[in-house]
Amino acid sequence: DAKTTQPPSMDCAEGRAANLPCNHSTISGNEYVYWYRQIHSQGPQYIIHGLKNNETNEMASLIITEDRKSSTLILPHATLRDTAVYYCIVRISNFGNEKLTFGTGTRLTIIP
Amino acid sequence: GAGVSQSPSNKVTEKGKDVELRCDPISGHTALYWYRQSLGQGLEFLIYFQGNSAPDKSGLPSDRFSAERTGGSVSTLTIQRTQQEDSAVYLCASSLTAKDTQYFGPGTRLTVL
Repeated sequence: DAKTTQPPSMDCAEGRAANLPCNHSTISGNEYVYWYRQIHSQGPQYIIHGLKNNETNEMASLIITEDRKSSTLILPHATLRDTAVYYCIVRISNFGNEKLTFGTGTRLTIIP
Repeated sequence: GAGVSQSPSNKVTEKGKDVELRCDPISGHTALYWYRQSLGQGLEFLIYFQGNSAPDKSGLPSDRFSAERTGGSVSTLTIQRTQQEDSAVYLCASSLTAKDTQYFGPGTRLTVL
């Protein structure tokens, strides 16, 4: 799986949009971008994933650049409960590449 | 619906004892995964099941670690002769098929004294 690069930490004011960047310059054409988050002492929580097109769900939006070398996870109205470590993972979604490879992620702190 | 569940939530054991950790995947999910997370570290893949078979055991750190899955559902991770370095949170995930999104359970925190 391609490696990803994320900033180690970020702060965001409560109520503002949190924009978390991820670089994946070696991503291949059939690799998806997945985002998970881990709130202290809990298991990772799936947020969103995409291949080429931008995606939105009830939790977040995922913006993938046209060349697919980077992406941004957007939490539109951050709350204190969004404080967590956010992981960007690229993964080929086919048999033989089942495991997720987690990096160090971005520790997002929402400031009241 | 019900998510992935794991038991126990916490386990404290003495060095040298055997432990069994249990994972109940989401109903209907054919793929099941075990990961572990040591204090302050990232998640480390251990083993993956498709049905009752384990095509990828590459992450098991030693032969003291084993896992099985029965009936295409519940899985048990067994650690024999536990060592202090086995202390970690053991996480289980499941997905509808191996190509699909993985959903994680809350984990079992194992402490080896």
